[in-house]
Order: sequence, then C-alpha cells, then structure tokens
Amino acid sequence: GAVVSQHPSWVICKSGTSVKIECRSLDFQATTMFWYRQFPKQSLMLMATSNEGSKATYEQGVEKDKFLINHASLTLSTLTVTSAHPEDSSFYICSAISGGRTDTQYFGPGTRLTVL
Amino acid sequence: GENVEQHPSTLSVQEGDSAVIKCTYSDSASNYFPWYKQELGKRPQLIIDIRSNVGEKKDQRIAVTLNKTAKHFSLHITETQPEDSAVYFCAAYMDDYKLSFGAGTTVTVRA
Repeated sequence: GAVVSQHPSWVICKSGTSVKIECRSLDFQATTMFWYRQFPKQSLMLMATSNEGSKATYEQGVEKDKFLINHASLTLSTLTVTSAHPEDSSFYICSAISGGRTDTQYFGPGTRLTVL
Repeated sequence: GENVEQHPSTLSVQEGDSAVIKCTYSDSASNYFPWYKQELGKRPQLIIDIRSNVGEKKDQRIAVTLNKTAKHFSLHITETQPEDSAVYFCAAYMDDYKLSFGAGTTVTVRA
C-alpha cells in the first residue's frame, strides 16, 4: 500500500522558536496533502489542505502566518510552526491522497511536538 | 461544513462479543465514509470504508452499514479480540476529499 512518512517523529523546542515538520509520500505522487492536529484524547482536526504548486487552504480558526505550509513537490509537504508556544504542543499528522485511489487518505506516523 | 457525531465515546466488551459504533453526519452530499483505528501515539489506520452507492460492506470480522436516508453509518466488530482494543474514528467527506472526523470511541476488549 501507499506509504507516508513524517520527520521528525518527535521534537522538543523552546517557546518562541520555529519548528519544521516534513511529510513525504514514499511510493506515490501526492497532489494533495492534509495537515491535522490531535490533542490528547481528542479527535483529529484538519488544519489545512496542501496542494502541490499552490497556496495551502486553511481551515477556519487556523492562523496561516503561524502554521506555514509549503508543498514544493508531488512527494513533499512541510509544516512550519512559527514562534511556537506551549499551547502549540500537540500531535501533528499529515495525510496524502494517492493518485490511483483519490478518495483514500494515507496517514503519516505523526510528529509529537512539545514546546517548553 | 460536515459535522460527524460518534457514539459511544467508550465501549468495553468481553472478548468474543460484538462491538458496535454508530455515527451520524449532517451533509447529505457526503459520499465516502471511512473508519480508522488508532493505537496510542500511532497513526490512524484505515480498517474499512464504504461509499454512498452501497448499504453494507464486510471484511472478515469487520462490517460497516450505511443508511443514507437517515444519514448514519455503523461499524460492527464481531468476535472481538484483545488486539481490537484501540480508539476508532468514523469520518465522512464529499468530493473535496476533506475528512471530518467523529470524536472517537475508545474500545476496550476484556480478556
């Protein structure tokens, strides 16, 4: 099946710094990737939709200047959390749509972000 | 947008019994309904999905039913095993592929 990777798997940073998370589709081209945030014991909340070569579309309430998304190629999307604060600590998960079956989303393993 | 409600929030069953999780959705245009299983600290894994043109789908011990008129769909797990213990999420979306997730059901299978 389609494989999606994320890097890093976990990161700890100081308040005020920026953190970049990478999402890669390893064996397929992903024209669309999604970024989710999941707080402990809660559901996945869609943050933004990332399309290769165009600007990301953010969900209501998500600050686009704080969560910078770049989808530079058909296999890579990055999420940068700028000026991170403790309340940004969460589990960030990406997903990608495979070109062969456009309605099935394949999820990355997630990145645990802890902001001190 | 789409709003998905999921019940129950927790479910404890004896090993070998069945587990049923129910979800409702708000937008009648939704046409794809996946179910995900998530273990602690790991990615959601697709376990079964159903499209709006069918009413039921089965894969070994797992089945999903869809009632488009009532806008609800359910997950059925039969002969539960301890390894079925996890959090299960239902989801729904329309043609834009944006998933709306239910709140999740924590399933515990007692040995």
